[in-house]
Amino acid sequence: QKEVEQDPGPLSVPEGAIVSLNCTYSNSAFQYFMWYRQYSRKGPELLMYTYSSGNKEDGRFTAQVDKSSKYISLFIRDSQPSDSATYLCAPGGSGGGADGLTFGKGTHLIIQP
Amino acid sequence: DADVTQTPRNRITKTGKRIMLECSQTKGHDRMYWYRQDPGLGLRLIYYSFDVKDINKGEISDGYSVSRQAQAKFSLSLESAIPNQTALYFCATTKGRDNEQFFGPGTRLTVL
Repeated sequence: QKEVEQDPGPLSVPEGAIVSLNCTYSNSAFQYFMWYRQYSRKGPELLMYTYSSGNKEDGRFTAQVDKSSKYISLFIRDSQPSDSATYLCAPGGSGGGADGLTFGKGTHLIIQP
Repeated sequence: DADVTQTPRNRITKTGKRIMLECSQTKGHDRMYWYRQDPGLGLRLIYYSFDVKDINKGEISDGYSVSRQAQAKFSLSLESAIPNQTALYFCATTKGRDNEQFFGPGTRLTVL
């Protein structure tokens, strides 16, 4: 089993819809959870960052972590065409040698105008 | 100006050639990383460096080498390029044990 599982999509939704992006992970030692957004031909950029179980909201974006079920979600409200990108979940802090992040493969999201 | 820069942005080369990809950062970060990204495989760590004298292999280091010439510069070399090294390569930096990684714009490498 991969450490981080993420459906690659593509996920296509109409503008204005609520989008749900999800990841599961296997390593219970992960301490923090990030979502990166990657536009075509660009490097990933941090979108959301949370340490604990529960919800964290930032504008139209909500990150949700359930450590008991090892499940991470990102919700996008009132989705816009500019939200079209690949979203990578990235848990980290498990104490591995790189002391860094483990990236999911990314979900390609398309918001149709 | 970009905080993390990569050169070249695109490169096409032939099997057996030696290639160097360069990364520079103006963020003053001590930790630098090299990843490759392939469709369906996501980001995979090649090498990482916590400071100039500390270089470590990542998940997929075979066929690659690195050099940390200064705190701000981290180069990735393919001594003898092969077609399955065709990928998008990203450099990233972070400060100390901070968790956020800042990525460069990427280098698209094609090995024929």
